[in-house]
Amino acid sequence: DAGVIQSPRHEVTEMGQEVTLRCKPISGHDYLFWYRQTMMRGLELLIYFNNNVPIDDSGMPEDRFSAKMPNASFSTLKIQPSEPRDSAVYFCASRYGMGNGYTFGSGTRLTVV
Amino acid sequence: SQQGEEDPQALSIQEGENATMNCSYKTSINNLQWYRQNSGRGLVHLILIRSNEREKHSGRLRVTLDTSKKSSSLLITASRAADTASYFCATTDSWGKFQFGAGTQVVVTP
Repeated sequence: DAGVIQSPRHEVTEMGQEVTLRCKPISGHDYLFWYRQTMMRGLELLIYFNNNVPIDDSGMPEDRFSAKMPNASFSTLKIQPSEPRDSAVYFCASRYGMGNGYTFGSGTRLTVV
Repeated sequence: SQQGEEDPQALSIQEGENATMNCSYKTSINNLQWYRQNSGRGLVHLILIRSNEREKHSGRLRVTLDTSKKSSSLLITASRAADTASYFCATTDSWGKFQFGAGTQVVVTP
């Protein structure tokens, strides 16, 4: 298995542009999580899905952020419009069931200028 | 908000010494996990301890869990320079929600 695959690895965009981050979880995993990591705030849980259904999106900072999981093998995190304070590394992670460890992707480093 | 709080925030030791870091959390959990993150890289799962377990070992790692105190500790024995990284605890609650602590930055000098 190739692990959790995130794309792109790096994204530089101008303020106001739409940004879409992508994640392919490990096949068979039924939970998918999106995190954001910054020096100031550490690792923040943004949203997580169970069987493609969003369970808790209370960590999504504001309406500019949205996430979808149209099927078990794909999820997107969209920021529209993007702002400089959105600059961070965004991680996707997946796991199977409640009692197992998570596998993280390599992250997408987003820079909004 | 973060579920786990870790201390110390930073730890500097010499190769061969043991490194101990602690994690406290606020709500009931299903399990607690420890992860390592090397600078600029993704997180790597180290060990999982379930809420009905008190201690677990994996190689040079030893994890304890005290659910009455809502705390856990991670011990790395005989540390190596390659253990230099940030270490995070993370909790899973009964709903499957998974949250990280602030992390402990460990530096092991040769």
